[in-house]
Amino acid sequence: QVQLVQSGAEVKKPGASVKVSCKASGYTFTSYGISWVRQAPGQGLEWMGWISAYNGNTNYAQKLQGRVTMTTDTSTSTAYMELRSLRSDDTAVYYCARATNYYDSSGYYIGYAFDIWGQGTMVTVSS
Amino acid sequence: SYELTQPPSVSVSPGQTARITCSADALPKQYAYWYQQKPGQAPVLVIYKDSERPSGIPERFSGSSSGTTVTLTISGVQAEDEADYYCQSADSSGTCVFGGGTKLTVL
Repeated sequence: QVQLVQSGAEVKKPGASVKVSCKASGYTFTSYGISWVRQAPGQGLEWMGWISAYNGNTNYAQKLQGRVTMTTDTSTSTAYMELRSLRSDDTAVYYCARATNYYDSSGYYIGYAFDIWGQGTMVTVSS
Repeated sequence: SYELTQPPSVSVSPGQTARITCSADALPKQYAYWYQQKPGQAPVLVIYKDSERPSGIPERFSGSSSGTTVTLTISGVQAEDEADYYCQSADSSGTCVFGGGTKLTVL
């Protein structure tokens, strides 16, 4: 079945980096993008960015520019998200999600949404 | 930047109809998508392209759009529908944005 399986929980000190993996199965990895979404405890969803699994193009949320890097390894159908210079407010559950493009009746691209999600990875930043 | 505004909470009794709105602050409005998230679980897509329902999502979930506001409607609410609901869209640059979320309480 179509699924995304993420790496396990992480505990990091402020200033460190974390790299979370997201392994895809059950579909053609390079036919979709992958987005990363995080959720701080008791808070809403925050989009972090998107990467094309086809060509590696990226689009990062402005507030994370310079601290986040998203990559893919097509040989293993795995996406990665690295966040650097961690702060306490980076403590959150991090999700990867498959980004599916949608088109109108004329074939015009109209946007994307997240139809498959990973199980989430808890990242705790604490001294 | 593009923003989506949702009410923090909506409460309904079982069997009633719940309506959750999501207002965009910019024109033209982009298509919207809705997610259901239960405690401790990943979100699930319940509506895409304003009003289309993915396979496996019950028919009681529907979506509509008027101007810069989209609405998620749950008809005949069941106890299992109690969850947080998020709308999502994207601006013209492809930057995604989520609404703040609405907690649906089934009384």
